[in-house]
Amino acid sequence: KNEVEQSPQNLTAQEGEFITINCSYSVGISALHWLQQHPGGGIVSLFMLSSGKKKHGRLIATINIQEKHSSLHITASHPRDSAVYICAVSSGAQKLVFGQGTRLTINP
Amino acid sequence: EADIYQTPRYLVIGTGKKITLECSQTMGHDKMYWYQQDPGMELHLIHYSYGVNSTEKGDLSSESTVSRIRTEHFPLTLESARPSHTSQYLCASSGLTGVSNTGELFFGEGSRLTVL
Repeated sequence: KNEVEQSPQNLTAQEGEFITINCSYSVGISALHWLQQHPGGGIVSLFMLSSGKKKHGRLIATINIQEKHSSLHITASHPRDSAVYICAVSSGAQKLVFGQGTRLTINP
Repeated sequence: EADIYQTPRYLVIGTGKKITLECSQTMGHDKMYWYQQDPGMELHLIHYSYGVNSTEKGDLSSESTVSRIRTEHFPLTLESARPSHTSQYLCASSGLTGVSNTGELFFGEGSRLTVL
């Protein structure tokens, strides 16, 4: 079992839908990162969380430390949100452990 | 605005050549990382550094080497490239010192290497 598990692995939705991507981890962490990677593109950091909730535009990230679970929400989804979303955790020696990524496709 | 740069963005070379992928950041970050990523696959850590003269191998076995002589510079070298090295290489930095000193990750655009 991977230390960081994301679900779903693939998600296809219609424009405007509310999107939720989940991340569960099994190790103690100092921070959790949500990253976005467009096809053929680099990786952009969306959020870094150690507790609670953060919001940036249409994106919301939450974390529950006790349950070792985080969610990334996208409101009013748009085709340009189509990308791979990656959850990563910093733990122990501050190395990052990555989830396998969630491939999101938003159809017009 | 992230200031982390990788060169070259694309490189096609023949087997046996020595190559160096450059990574520089101007944020004064202490931590730097090299990841390897095949298309559609996960990121794998191949090297990391927590500061000048500090380098460690990552989780994925790699025939590459790195150096960290200056805070801002973290080059990756392949002494003799092989087709199995064909991949995308991503450099990242983070830090509690310097600009954006929150521990947030910043990634370069990546270097896509093809070895013929």
